[in-house]
Amino acid sequence: AQSVTQLDSQVPVFEEAPVELRCNYSSSVSVYLFWYVQYPNQGLQLLLKYLSGSTLVKGINGFEAEFNKSQTSFHLRKPSVHISDTAEYFCAVISSGAGSYQLTFGKGTKLSVIP
Amino acid sequence: EAQVTQNPRYLITVTGKKLTVTCSQNMNHEYMSWYRQDPGLGLRQIYYSMNVEVTDKGDVPEGYKVSRKEKRNFPLILESPSPNQTSLYFCASSSQTGGFGYTFGSGTRLTVV
Repeated sequence: AQSVTQLDSQVPVFEEAPVELRCNYSSSVSVYLFWYVQYPNQGLQLLLKYLSGSTLVKGINGFEAEFNKSQTSFHLRKPSVHISDTAEYFCAVISSGAGSYQLTFGKGTKLSVIP
Repeated sequence: EAQVTQNPRYLITVTGKKLTVTCSQNMNHEYMSWYRQDPGLGLRQIYYSMNVEVTDKGDVPEGYKVSRKEKRNFPLILESPSPNQTSLYFCASSSQTGGFGYTFGSGTRLTVV
């Protein structure tokens, strides 16, 4: 079975400071990894994804994430945050070898950007 | 515009009264899923479908039914809703050729009293 652990439920950070949102996954087979963002009272939007190839993945809005197979991690980073980045961020995994391609989410990290 | 459309956006109903939440996508995606979102629990998968007439249970299927008679539609049925099904529901779709990046609907906020 696959699972995702987001280590921080809430992360406050000052505007223009860097941020890292941590994500660890558990799966016995190869994985595809995703980060989604949910702005207040909205649906989910795909930020970035890792399927294969380069372990550093760049997404929208200046976010990037690095796949680390040995540490089973996929942490999300941004070098300088804006007020508009205040949202909830979800890490998600698909176990590609399982045949079903089910997308499993972590419990989310609420990012609060402080002016 | 490529999108997943859910209806209704908001619904208040009474315990035991059958309801259906519709979901439709216009991207010819083979995969579709239903999730419920509850505070502190993230998104939990209810059911998913890999293609027409192929559905399977997710992590929290109790009290829900789905059907996939056409590729574009994936309705969620609550035969006898109960208050513990009060939640925010999302439908999503994706394709293998699209790299499995799921597109989500805007959500349906359901309250069962």
